[in-house]
Order: sequence, then structure tokens, then C-alpha cells
Amino acid sequence: QVQLQESGPGLVKPSETVSLTCTVSGASVSGYYWSWIRQPPGRGLEWIGYIYYTGNTNYNPSLKSRITLSVDTSKNQFSLELRSVTAADTAVFYCARFRITEDTYFFDYWGRGTQVTVSS
Amino acid sequence: QSVLTQPPSASGTPGQRVTISCSGSSSNIGSNTVNWYLFLPGTAPKLLIHSNNQRPSGVPDRFSGSKSGTSASLAISGLQSEDEAEYFCAAWDDTVSGPVFGTGTKVTVL
Repeated sequence: QVQLQESGPGLVKPSETVSLTCTVSGASVSGYYWSWIRQPPGRGLEWIGYIYYTGNTNYNPSLKSRITLSVDTSKNQFSLELRSVTAADTAVFYCARFRITEDTYFFDYWGRGTQVTVSS
Repeated sequence: QSVLTQPPSASGTPGQRVTISCSGSSSNIGSNTVNWYLFLPGTAPKLLIHSNNQRPSGVPDRFSGSKSGTSASLAISGLQSEDEAEYFCAAWDDTVSGPVFGTGTKVTVL
């Protein structure tokens, strides 16, 4: 059973950097793509970016200048760093495994999500 | 933020069939496959349908997906109280070079 668990600070001040980690169990991060998705309150889902276990990344153009994804195969974790946060970054952040095949792309396992609130 | 359009709500009585639509464009649904996810508060989101109409192992065959042109649909037959949740469609978008999501549909079992 593949399980993902997000962890992070919960509350962050405006202009600061929030770092989130996703710990994977039941599967190795090696060989797969891993992704972050967020959902602001009352709004829809937004894909943030994904990272391959080798470290190759693909970021949402709307967030590219403020995010960095990284992966630690020794800890079976991957992480998100979001810089210069504002109230608009308040959201539930989900981590997920991203399957990419020749002609299809989908998230097959998700974490329960972690709330990140940006407030002074 | 959401590129794909879904009705905000849908409802039915137990045993009925409910259909949720997902409308996109040529850069996403029109040229890529569609996936459907179930969101239930307090639980990890779940993949229901991938590649337009493929059910992962463990997903009941009451759930089915289809796609035509730039639109897709999720059908839930034999509606059950446990199906009361929010459903999102998603597809790869060639303009974004990444996945985009629908606006979400809340299903109520009357």
C-alpha cells in the first residue's frame, strides 16, 4: 500500500519561505515522478510542479520563479520550497505520485494534504 | 486557476445514475487523456478513472468515464451514500506543459 504524508510548518509569515516535505512509504521514490498540487480555500486545484527521482523537474509557469522541488532518495522523501509567500499562497498542499506513460498522465496516489496559512 | 469547467453540483437518490461533465479545449482534453479524482474531507484524494475510461484496481465498476472531443464525463451508476464527495477531472495541457484540473463537482445523495 503506497502512502504519502505531507509535513510542514502550518503557519508562515508573508515574504517568508515555506518548506514542505512528503514522506513516501510502501514504494520507493526511485523510478517515479512526484508532484505537488495545492487548493486555496474555496478555489480549485492547481498543479505546482513535479520532479523525477533523478532530480529533473517541471514547474507550473505561473509559480516557476518562486518554487524549487527536490528529492532525497536516501530518506524516500521529496520536498517543495515556495519563496516570497503572500496571503494568496494560503492553501491545502497535496503531494502525489505522478505517472507518466507514452500517452497518459495521472496522479495515482495522494497524501491527505497539509494546510499552509500565510499570515502575520 | 481551473482550466476545465465542471458543474458545481449534482445530486441523485440512492440507486440512480449521476453524470458529471468536464469541458476543456483543444490544448487539454481535445488532445490528451482525462482522469477523474474523488475528494472526501479528511481522506487522501483517490484516482477513480485514468486514460479516459480506465478504472484502477479496487474502483467499483459503478464508476465509468468517457471522452468526446473537448469534453469528458464521469458516470456513477447505482448511486450510494458513500459516493457523496467532490469530484475533479484533470488532463494534461499542452500550453501549460503540465496537468490542469476541473472546477470540481459536489455530489449529494438525497
